[in-house]
Amino acid sequence: EVQLLQSGGGLVRPGGSLRLSCAASGFTFSSDEMSWVRQTPGKGLEWVSSISGSGGSTYYGDSVKGRFTISRDNSKKTLHLQLDNLRVEDTAVYYCAKDMRKFEHWGQGNMVTVSS
Amino acid sequence: VVMTQSPATLSVSPGERATLSCRASQNINEFLAWYQQKPGQAPRLLIYAASTRATGIPARFSGSGFGTEFTLTISSLQSADFAVYYCQQYNNWPTTFGLGTNLEIK
Repeated sequence: EVQLLQSGGGLVRPGGSLRLSCAASGFTFSSDEMSWVRQTPGKGLEWVSSISGSGGSTYYGDSVKGRFTISRDNSKKTLHLQLDNLRVEDTAVYYCAKDMRKFEHWGQGNMVTVSS
Repeated sequence: VVMTQSPATLSVSPGERATLSCRASQNINEFLAWYQQKPGQAPRLLIYAASTRATGIPARFSGSGFGTEFTLTISSLQSADFAVYYCQQYNNWPTTFGLGTNLEIK
């Protein structure tokens, strides 16, 4: 059974940083692309970032490019998202998801709140 | 690609049929997925490639469409089906989602 267990998140001030993690099990982690998707009440679901199975290719949405960094540790079957220079508009529930196109498996979500 | 879902809210009685629509601002071929989301939960993939049910999804869920117009039909609504439904295109980069249809009990 595919499982994605997220950790991280919380409250941070504007300009601050956070790191989200997503521990995977039940599939060959290194073979699969992984993604982060966030959700806000106003903008709905928004793709944030994706990474290839090897980690050699990374992709970012325009709203986070240059501020967020996606990475993975295939030896530990873990996906990460480093969130730097956070803005109020980054406040959202962040989900990790398996794949880069259709998302059949999702983590449970982590709330990130950016507020002064 | 902008995904527009209609209606924003749909009120239907249990046992009846629900029809949800999704329109893409440009041709996305068949690369359209539907998700169901309940409060406090992650989205659940229902349909991909416009009409293929994901693993474990009941046959009362069906999808159709191609190009720019798509439909999700739930043939006989059960209590567990009342939720928010999102469409997503993955033909063009970046993938984009609609704002959702809230399916509520009438």
